[in-house]
Amino acid sequence: NAGVTQTPKFQVLKTGQSMTLQCAQDMNHNSMYWYRQDPGMGLRLIYYSASEGTTDKGEVPNGYNVSRLNKREFSLRLESAAPSQTSVYFCASSEINRGSSGNTIYFGEGSWLTVV
Amino acid sequence: DQQVKQNSPSLSVQEGRISILNCDYTNSMFDYFLWYKKYPAEGPTFLISISSIKDKNEDGRFTVFLNKSAKHLSLHIVPSQPGDSAVYFCAARSQGGKLIFGQGTELSVKP
Repeated sequence: NAGVTQTPKFQVLKTGQSMTLQCAQDMNHNSMYWYRQDPGMGLRLIYYSASEGTTDKGEVPNGYNVSRLNKREFSLRLESAAPSQTSVYFCASSEINRGSSGNTIYFGEGSWLTVV
Repeated sequence: DQQVKQNSPSLSVQEGRISILNCDYTNSMFDYFLWYKKYPAEGPTFLISISSIKDKNEDGRFTVFLNKSAKHLSLHIVPSQPGDSAVYFCAARSQGGKLIFGQGTELSVKP
């Protein structure tokens, strides 16, 4: 069971470089998300896509762009990386479940990004 | 402006005792509250949730309590086990389905 797969797992960038984090899910979920995790800040939503063809800003979208390529894939792009973007990035997907468990999100394993 | 807060960054508990993790929120429109568990170098995984119309939900050793008047929820783990050592994130679901997470609490269960 692959679930949510994100690449690369580790990346070091120089300030000003660009890169794209890739994410794919095989659970046929409509919604996909990008979060970043920083010490003392928890998980903060960068961008999300409620369904194929739509994207919306989250809590911390500045410096990022996203593309919902199809139902399976949701990429996150840093156009000009800054040291403040050093973080662990998590892609996630979910299906709205109005039942007893609410909306449960499934996360990938994370991508460690360092900007020097 | 943090809508979901976990004010304790860490908690240490003896094996077999109760672990209580706390979470406060500010938005009364949240309709679901969830707890996620995260081990190092892994993504968070869903643990337990509670609807805003309930005040308690239990699943094995894990129980979540919701006090809507105080805008407070807590996760109880009884009995605590060393394998429970992890970071626990509280999350609240906003209208539209987005999850807002707290800062996380690192639980250490000592043998």
